[in-house]
Amino acid sequence: EGQLVESGGGLVKPGGSLRLSCRASGFTFSNAWMSWVRQAPGKGLEWVGRIKSKTDGGTTDYVAPVKGRFTISRHDSKNTLYMQMNSLKTEDTAVYYCTTGVHVWGQGTTVTVSS
Amino acid sequence: DIQMTQSPSSVSASVGDRVTITCRASQDVNNWLAWYQQKPGKAPKLLIYAASSLQSGVPSRFSGSGSGTDFTLTISSLQPEDFATYYCQQANSFPPTFGGGTKVEIK
Repeated sequence: EGQLVESGGGLVKPGGSLRLSCRASGFTFSNAWMSWVRQAPGKGLEWVGRIKSKTDGGTTDYVAPVKGRFTISRHDSKNTLYMQMNSLKTEDTAVYYCTTGVHVWGQGTTVTVSS
Repeated sequence: DIQMTQSPSSVSASVGDRVTITCRASQDVNNWLAWYQQKPGKAPKLLIYAASSLQSGVPSRFSGSGSGTDFTLTISSLQPEDFATYYCQQANSFPPTFGGGTKVEIK
């Protein structure tokens, strides 16, 4: 059914930047709308943003807390999804999952924003 | 944004018990409703999509029902591996939103 593997998480200071990657396999990545979801420590799940397939326009949407700071992109020939995170805040500390939306989820990568 | 309200927030049950979790949406989600199971340190696992369709490989003791704004996840006979946190999620409109979660604990 498909597999997603995230990477790029780590420890960063407030105001810093980080780029997450998500490598896809087992399905036609170029046709998929892809999303990022996060989970703060001990909290529930929060949708961060999505990118449509290029066929459907390739546009992006974000939730209010990250709009203007996070940018989602895709490289279809590499089967890879990215999320550039700038101006990071302590409240961005979370496990970040990439997902096809419902059916396929990665294992997550941890982002810690702390001084 | 559509608000998803899950209840109860936690439930204590024994192996073999029937467990029911409810999820209410603040507006009609046109049956674009999914249920996930999450264990500590793991990614969410899809159980049910489109309100009542069982994901391939998920045991038949899990079932989903409901329509419009009110949905239910039922575990017909709780097994030891079912102790986890369960989330509902609407995918009808952006942003997709999740319920607050229901933790199923051992009684």
